[in-house]
Amino acid sequence: GDSVTQMEGPVTLSEEAFLTINCTYTATGYPSLFWYVQYPGEGLQLLLKATKADDKGSNKGFEATYRKETTSFHLEKGSVQVSDSAVYFCALSSSSNTGKLIFGQGTTLQVKP
Amino acid sequence: DSGVTQTPKHLITATGQRVTLRCSPRSGDLSVYWYQQSLDQGLQFLIQYYNGEERAKGNILERFSAQQFPDLHSELNLSSLELGDSALYFCASSVVLTGAADTQYFGPGTRLTVL
Repeated sequence: GDSVTQMEGPVTLSEEAFLTINCTYTATGYPSLFWYVQYPGEGLQLLLKATKADDKGSNKGFEATYRKETTSFHLEKGSVQVSDSAVYFCALSSSSNTGKLIFGQGTTLQVKP
Repeated sequence: DSGVTQTPKHLITATGQRVTLRCSPRSGDLSVYWYQQSLDQGLQFLIQYYNGEERAKGNILERFSAQQFPDLHSELNLSSLELGDSALYFCASSVVLTGAADTQYFGPGTRLTVL
């Protein structure tokens, strides 16, 4: 079945460091790919998404490119801030007739001043 | 604020009991999804409703059931509760049915603790 694998955390960075969180997926067909973020004590918020191969999603300085050839959707940010500390989830939604999301296990990011 | 509301925020109950979690989707959204977030299983899809009808089922236990009412709010019923049911339960909503590319908007969750 469809699945998502994320790099294990926690990831600890200093402010202004470069961030990469790896995400790879297994899916039949052509899924849509998402990054959601969960701040402490809150629900999930969509960070960015990409719906077809080579699409780049971007938001708030974060970027991810849908790479079909490597089945990857790695999240990057050039300069992280303390306020970026959160749990990041990679997810996919397959092209079947339901939009249910399949999530990776989440990666905790801690940014230190 | 996503526009999705969930009540209650916290629920503490005993094994063997039954609870009901409530979700109100964003205005205009017809699809409602339920997810369970636990330390050992991560975030898992439970069930989806669209305009009152069940559309997809995930890893939902037989002790769990859900429904979506004419006003589009949804309830998740958990019965014969076990310790392992302790988790954060999220509701999400989206506009469309097939929505592989559609954004799901998540509520703040209900934290269930079974003692």
